[in-house]
Amino acid sequence: QVQLQESGPGLVKPSGTLSLTCAVSGGSISSNNWWNWVRQPPGKGLEWIGEIYHSGRTYYNPSLKSRVTMSVDKSKNQFSLNLSSVTAADTAVYYCARERDSGAAFDIWGQGTVVTVSS
Amino acid sequence: DIVMTQSPDSLAVSLGERATINCKSSQSVLYSSNNKNYLAWYQQKPGQPPKLLIYWASTRESGVPDRFSGSGSGTDFTLTISSLQAEDVAVYYCQQYYSTPIFTFGPGTKVDI
Repeated sequence: QVQLQESGPGLVKPSGTLSLTCAVSGGSISSNNWWNWVRQPPGKGLEWIGEIYHSGRTYYNPSLKSRVTMSVDKSKNQFSLNLSSVTAADTAVYYCARERDSGAAFDIWGQGTVVTVSS
Repeated sequence: DIVMTQSPDSLAVSLGERATINCKSSQSVLYSSNNKNYLAWYQQKPGQPPKLLIYWASTRESGVPDRFSGSGSGTDFTLTISSLQAEDVAVYYCQQYYSTPIFTFGPGTKVDI
């Protein structure tokens, strides 16, 4: 049973870079799946951030593309998110999620990690 | 971009009664080559991540109770809870994956008793 677990700093200063990691257990990140990041501001809905394949191929939400970088570490079976030039608007719960097949729904989600942007 | 809307924003249903949530996409999410609607439904309880309920608009995820059903095609979709249980109190989101690799979610519908 594949499980996902997010980790990273819970507090980031404005203008800084948010860095999160999603560890994949019970399966391989090199499986035929895309790996996604989704965020949820307090009391609001879900926003897709982007996705990455184990080859390193990425796709990002156009609204965040200029600030987002994703990477894969196959040796550690994990993938990462960097979001630069953060503001208070980036305060959210950040989830990682597995896309079941290419171009499919998200069938497995991490528990989420709260990131607050504040000085 | 495909914009997803949901109605109502919230609803209150008595235990054992039917709950109906609507989702509309700004353009069709029906892929003609395979006749599949690229639409999913998720349930999110407080403090928890979203949980996949329905994919391909009407296919129930393994382990999801059969009181949950999805219907619709093209641009108009419905999630129905046939007999609301206390544990169904949650926010429900629709999501399109037609425009993959760009995904969009609806704003959510809150279901209460």
